[in-house]
Amino acid sequence: QVQLVESGGGLVKPGGSLRLSCAASGFTFSYHYMSWIRQTPGKGLEWVSYISSGSSTVYYADSVKGRFTISRDNAKNSLYLQMNSLRAEDTAVYYCARNYASSMLIFDYWGQGTLVTVSS
Amino acid sequence: QSALTQPASVSGSPGQSITISCTGTSSDVGSYNLVSWYQQHPGTAPKLMIYDVSKRPSGVSDRFSGSKSGNTASLTISGLQADDEADYYCCSYAGISALGVFGTGTKVTVL
Repeated sequence: QVQLVESGGGLVKPGGSLRLSCAASGFTFSYHYMSWIRQTPGKGLEWVSYISSGSSTVYYADSVKGRFTISRDNAKNSLYLQMNSLRAEDTAVYYCARNYASSMLIFDYWGQGTLVTVSS
Repeated sequence: QSALTQPASVSGSPGQSITISCTGTSSDVGSYNLVSWYQQHPGTAPKLMIYDVSKRPSGVSDRFSGSKSGNTASLTISGLQADDEADYYCCSYAGISALGVFGTGTKVTVL
């Protein structure tokens, strides 16, 4: 069965960096576009970033553009999110999600999420 | 890009039907038939319930249906069951510059 397992979350100071990982199994990872989505109690769900199957196309939400970098390693069935210059408003649960077919905005499987807390 | 507007809460009795609205603008919901809906039970990840306005993924009950009129999309749950009690979020494509926007979320309560 499809499994997505995020890791790398934690407590970081404002201005700091963190790298999230997502280990995928149960499907052909290299065929699927992948995304990161975050959720905060106050603002609900927010799409963060998307990467095509071969990494040729990436998109970012305006709120993270220039600070976050999405990447993937198809040989390792892994998705990553490098987060730099972190701000308090980046505090959220970060989900790794599989994109349905070649869609950009349909997420048919999600991981359990990893909590990122940005605080001094 | 502002979040799509959903009612904060909707409730119904078992067996009834309820409808959750998702209001956007002519730049997102109104321009594309690319609205999806997600169900989220407390402490769990969201689950895809509807995509492309009205299509159901394999395994999702046909009690869930979606539609769209103008700038507003809707999710209807018929034959309400206790397990339908959850938060529901809509999501729409918003063009190549903004890409995607989620709704504010609706808590469904089964009375």
